[in-house]
Amino acid sequence: KAGVTQTPRYLIKTRGQQVTLSCSPISGHRSVSWYQQTPGQGLQFLFEYFSETQRNKGNFPGRFSGRQFSNSRSEMNVSTLELGDSALYLCASSLYGTSGRGREQFFGPGTRLTVL
Amino acid sequence: SQQGEEDPQALSIQEGENATMNCSYKTSINNLQWYRQNSGRGLVHLILIRSNEREKHSGRLRVTLDTSKKSSSLLITASRAADTASYFCATDEAAGNKLTFGGGTRVLVKP
Repeated sequence: KAGVTQTPRYLIKTRGQQVTLSCSPISGHRSVSWYQQTPGQGLQFLFEYFSETQRNKGNFPGRFSGRQFSNSRSEMNVSTLELGDSALYLCASSLYGTSGRGREQFFGPGTRLTVL
Repeated sequence: SQQGEEDPQALSIQEGENATMNCSYKTSINNLQWYRQNSGRGLVHLILIRSNEREKHSGRLRVTLDTSKKSSSLLITASRAADTASYFCATDEAAGNKLTFGGGTRVLVKP
């Protein structure tokens, strides 16, 4: 099975712009989660989608949004970019979206976003 | 705030030695997982231990879980240079549909 893929791998934007990142989960996985990783804050949960519904959301401003399509592919969007949004954005998919059944997550390689 | 806090933050050992890192958490969990991340890349799942388990092995990895102390440890035996990476614990909280990651332990294995 192909792993989780994320596009693009690298992105450079300027403040005020918006960006859309894409994630294709492992075939058959219905849950997609997004994380932001920075040296200062570590790995922070952004949101999770399961069957096109947002199931949980982390503590991020409304500039961060996402969606999931019927084929389980997911996109996240960041509007009005700020310098502090520079980070590695990781997407992870899992087979089960229900806590308690074992939520082993399979991560993509990430998208490195640099905001200038 | 992060659920899991890892200790130490960084660890440097010689090849062949064992590496031990600890994770503490705050709330009730369904399971606890350990992941490895090589520099700037995605995370790789290593092992999952459920809340009703106390110890689990996978190859050179040994994980323990003490729910009364809300802590877990990861032991890597006979370390190799290829084990150089950051290791994260992640808690699957009993309330909530998400994994919460700790700050990670950076492990350097010197050949």
